[in-house]
Amino acid sequence: DSGVTQTPKHLITATGQRVTLRCSPRSGDLSVYWYQQSLDQGLQFLIQYYNGEERAKGNILERFSAQQFPDLHSELNLSSLELGDSALYFCASSFQGATNEKLFFGSGTQLSVL
Amino acid sequence: GENVEQHPSTLSVQEGDSAVIKCTYSDSASNYFPWYKQELGKGPQLIIDIRSNVGEKKDQRIAVTLNKTAKHFSLHITETQPEDSAVYFCAASKYGGSQGNLIFGKGTKLSVKP
Repeated sequence: DSGVTQTPKHLITATGQRVTLRCSPRSGDLSVYWYQQSLDQGLQFLIQYYNGEERAKGNILERFSAQQFPDLHSELNLSSLELGDSALYFCASSFQGATNEKLFFGSGTQLSVL
Repeated sequence: GENVEQHPSTLSVQEGDSAVIKCTYSDSASNYFPWYKQELGKGPQLIIDIRSNVGEKKDQRIAVTLNKTAKHFSLHITETQPEDSAVYFCAASKYGGSQGNLIFGKGTKLSVKP
């Protein structure tokens, strides 16, 4: 068990809808990351937060947004969903968010857009 | 930006044999190279990492080698066991940047046949 909790584990929704994915980082970790995993694209970095503030942004679509709350949990909001958004979404955490820190990944949320 | 190529995409070995996964990177400034193992239904887990100031690092049955001149690094697993079956990801990044600089390869699915 990595200590990172993601909910829900599975999410099935329709095109055009909006969903929220939730992540609780490992105790003591200040930085949270979101990744998208699809068969053809591998692990794609979406966004990173550190202690409530955005630290880095990757290939995150404008339809997607995220935030990290004062208790350090994070939410990833996906709106106007398209079929191509179907993927496994991972949250990871680390202590300070430095490049050479070990990332602890949650078990992911499998999103299916029908 | 950085680009990481990983080969092979699938690898099947007999229990007890060795397995080698190779990655190349494009940015000569990259200096941190972790390897993550993803078991079915779980998130990736760091298994070993190497920094650019060393050429090889070992941890029991796994080892990683780095050739900075050629810009490639490899994961070696000796005496493979069925529990080594998983998807392995290499990654590359630079010190001083955010984790957003951690670029993953597309993964290698390793199957160890008993």
